[in-house]
Amino acid sequence: QKEVEQNSGPLSVPEGAIASLNCTYSDRGSQSFFWYRQYSGKSPELIMFIYSNGDKEDGRFTAQLNKASQYVSLLIRDSQPSDSATYLCAVNKGDMRFGAGTRLTVKP
Amino acid sequence: DTGVSQDPRHKITKRGQNVTFRCDPISEHNRLYWYRQTLGQGPEFLTYFQNEAQLEKSRLLSDRFSAERPKGSFSTLEIQRTEQGDSAMYLCASSDTGTGGAYQPQHFGDGTRLSIL
Repeated sequence: QKEVEQNSGPLSVPEGAIASLNCTYSDRGSQSFFWYRQYSGKSPELIMFIYSNGDKEDGRFTAQLNKASQYVSLLIRDSQPSDSATYLCAVNKGDMRFGAGTRLTVKP
Repeated sequence: DTGVSQDPRHKITKRGQNVTFRCDPISEHNRLYWYRQTLGQGPEFLTYFQNEAQLEKSRLLSDRFSAERPKGSFSTLEIQRTEQGDSAMYLCASSDTGTGGAYQPQHFGDGTRLSIL
């Protein structure tokens, strides 16, 4: 079992729709969870971080964490073509472990 | 805040040569991380420093790889006797120290792309 698992996609949504990205992790003791966006050929860019169970909202982005289910998700509301990128889920327990990423395409 | 700086941006070298990369973290950050990323994969953790101390090193990291952060500021990553499989993007990130068990977000540099001929 991989430490951090994501659906590789591609996930395609129309412009203006909600994009839902999911991630599961294996280490129940993990405390810190992150979502990064990575455009092709560029380095990862921090989108959200979450430490506690529940929802955390920042603009069009909402991160959701459920430690009992070892599940973290990212919702992107009112998706825009500029949101088209690979989204990386990461879990930090000293050494940060990344999922392989989900490729999102937002179609105009 | 000038961000994380990495040098060089690109490095092309022949198999068997040694290469060294440099990373300058965000100035107030005391943690510095190195990752390697290949196409279609997420970044793979290599090692991290808190100040000048190297606290974690991936078991996957060959003895050909070494990293230093001598004064707790910039860091270097050296790869000796490069192999074809070392071709990748090498990413550096830095963060502040967390409290209460939480790790602070890491901010990435633009990376060094290594190509082995």
